[in-house]
Amino acid sequence: ETGVTQTPRHLVMGMTNKKSLKCEQHLGHNAMYWYKQSAKKPLELMFVYSLEERVENNSVPSRFSPECPNSSHLFLHLHTLQPEDSALYLCASSQFSLDRGRTATNEKLFFGSGTQLSVL
Amino acid sequence: GQQLNQSPQSMFIQEGEDVSMNCTSSSIFNTWLWYKQDPGEGPVLLIALYKAGELTSNGRLTAQFGITRKDSFLNISASIPSDVGIYFCAGQADSNYQLIWGAGTKLIIKP
Repeated sequence: ETGVTQTPRHLVMGMTNKKSLKCEQHLGHNAMYWYKQSAKKPLELMFVYSLEERVENNSVPSRFSPECPNSSHLFLHLHTLQPEDSALYLCASSQFSLDRGRTATNEKLFFGSGTQLSVL
Repeated sequence: GQQLNQSPQSMFIQEGEDVSMNCTSSSIFNTWLWYKQDPGEGPVLLIALYKAGELTSNGRLTAQFGITRKDSFLNISASIPSDVGIYFCAGQADSNYQLIWGAGTKLIIKP
C-alpha cells in the first residue's frame, strides 16, 4: 500500500466513449502527476499539479483533460480516444519542499497501481 | 531532449545469481534514482543517489552514482524470486526539474 489509490484498475472503452480515471492520495503531499506507461518505453509525464499550478507536456493530445479539485484528488478525463492511447496510466504524488530556501525537491514519487486502459 | 539509455532491456537469470544493470546519459544529472515495478503495481522507489561517486545499499541492492554524473549502476546480490519485475532508472538535472526515465530492465528468474 503506497498511499495512492487509483480507480478503476481496468477500463475498456470505445473510441466514442467518455470516461474518467480517478486518483486519491493519503500522504499529505502537495504535488500530483499523471504518467503514461507503454511497454518497453520510458514513463511519459503527462501532467503535473504542484503548489496549485498545472504543468503539462505539450505533446499530450487534447482528448486527455486533467482536473485537480484539491491536493488529494486528481482526475483524468478521457474522450474520443484512439487505439494507440491503450496503455497503463499511473498516478503519482510527491512533496515539494524548499531546500535551504533555494530549490524544491520532487524526486521521490509515490505511485498508484495504475489503470490499464484498452481502447477498442 | 534528454534521454536515458538503460541496459539490458531484459535479463533471464538463475535464482542466487548476482544482477547488474546500468543507465547512461549524454547529459549530467544531479540526482539518480532507481525504482522497481512489481507486476500489476506502480513503481516503488528503491534507492536515491545525490552525489557523484556515492554508493548506497538497500538490503541486497547496491546503487552507484557515476563519477562523470552521466551514469548510474544497480546491483542485486543473490537474487530471489521476489526480485522479478521491471527496474527503472530516473535522473534529475536539477531539483526543480522533472524526472527523465529509462525504458526499464525486466528481470526474470528461471525456475
